[in-house]
Amino acid sequence: GNSVTQMEGPVTLSEEAFLTINCTYTATGYPSLFWYVQYPGEGLQLLLKATKADDKGSNKGFEATYRKETTSFHLEKGSVQVSDSAVYFCALGSGSARQLTFGSGTQLTVLP
Amino acid sequence: EAGVTQFPSHSVIEKGQTVTLRCDPISGHDNLYWYRRVMGKEIKFLLHFVKESKQDESGMPNNRFLAERTGGTYSTLKVQPAELEDSGVYFCASRTVWGPLTTYSNQPQHFGDGTRLSIL
Repeated sequence: GNSVTQMEGPVTLSEEAFLTINCTYTATGYPSLFWYVQYPGEGLQLLLKATKADDKGSNKGFEATYRKETTSFHLEKGSVQVSDSAVYFCALGSGSARQLTFGSGTQLTVLP
Repeated sequence: EAGVTQFPSHSVIEKGQTVTLRCDPISGHDNLYWYRRVMGKEIKFLLHFVKESKQDESGMPNNRFLAERTGGTYSTLKVQPAELEDSGVYFCASRTVWGPLTTYSNQPQHFGDGTRLSIL
């Protein structure tokens, strides 16, 4: 079956530091890949997505590239801000229903 | 456009009681999904509706859980009787119309804020 393995947290960084959150997946077929973010007290929001190999998703300074050869979709940001503190979830969508399989989530805290 | 809304935001009940969670999807979205996150673990799929029909309920943990989507609009998820291990956050998501795979399959799911369920 499908699975997503996500870098365990929590991750604590200083403002303006470089961020990488690793995500690898196992799936049959051609899944779409997503990063969702949950800010404190809020629901899940789509951060970015990639639908095929070598696609790069980007939003709010975050980027992730769909790497089929390494089955990875690592999240990166060059300079994090305090407002980026949240829980980040890597997910894949597959099949006609595109139900999502999530990783365990990574808690990011950015200190001023 | 209103987003996905879930009621209540938090529910605290005793073991053995019944609780009903409600989800209102984005208007016009045929696909409705329920997920839950238990004990800070990964978010797991429960079931998927296409309009009023259950398309996939393979993630439902047991027969204490009953989901409905009468009329293909809002959905309810009932837990009866609730057990301690049912505590967690229940998320609802909706996604676009049901159509050809190539056209709609990459449309993302839009999530509600979740219902935090606490069983005492």
